[in-house]
Amino acid sequence: DIQMTQSPSSLSASVGDRVTITCRASQNIATYLNWYQQKPGKAPNLLIYAASSWHSGVPSRFSGSGSGTDFTLTISGLQPEDFATYYCQQSYSSPPTFGQGTRLDIK
Amino acid sequence: QVQLQESGPGPVKPSETLSLTCSVSGDSISNSNYYWDWIRQPPGKGLEWIGNIYYSGDTHYNPSLKSRLSISVDTSKNQFSLTLTSVTAADTAMYYCVRRFGSWPDYFDHWGQGILVTVSS
Repeated sequence: DIQMTQSPSSLSASVGDRVTITCRASQNIATYLNWYQQKPGKAPNLLIYAASSWHSGVPSRFSGSGSGTDFTLTISGLQPEDFATYYCQQSYSSPPTFGQGTRLDIK
Repeated sequence: QVQLQESGPGPVKPSETLSLTCSVSGDSISNSNYYWDWIRQPPGKGLEWIGNIYYSGDTHYNPSLKSRLSISVDTSKNQFSLTLTSVTAADTAMYYCVRRFGSWPDYFDHWGQGILVTVSS
């Protein structure tokens, strides 16, 4: 199985900040990388697919980049509704696997 | 709008069988663009892919669960189901049914609200 490792595991930030979350794959996955946001008690929601493409309705303050083994999710201008847990997921090979999550808290 | 809704009988005892059904509305489960997946999340932990099914009945399972797992589809009811045998406390989790776009790019785009399954005697 391909291992996905996110960093940091948690971070604190303020409204208006710019934050970056990193995801590293244990092998080359090209751009087969998706990002999800999960709020407490809710199911995850797709934000970014294929490393850098916005899912329908996702604000442009979310952006993804990377290829191969290293990927980033950047949120520019944090909004109150962005405080949540973020997961990366590889779709390069089966079984699809997720990172352990990055919890974003209000500072 | 696509909606998925999990249903199941409630708590399960160790060594028994867990059965869940996902009802799909707003899309046909026979839509050839999609697979229909199950993903679980133990309390306070991360996400684990369980397996999926195509409308034709073709299945793919996580090797870690394959020996205990079965996923089936009922196209006439627009539903798909999961059966997991010989459960233990480690199977306690929120179980989500999910629609997966199965071609490039491959992603999970619609999720059910989830159903909490507790394995306890």
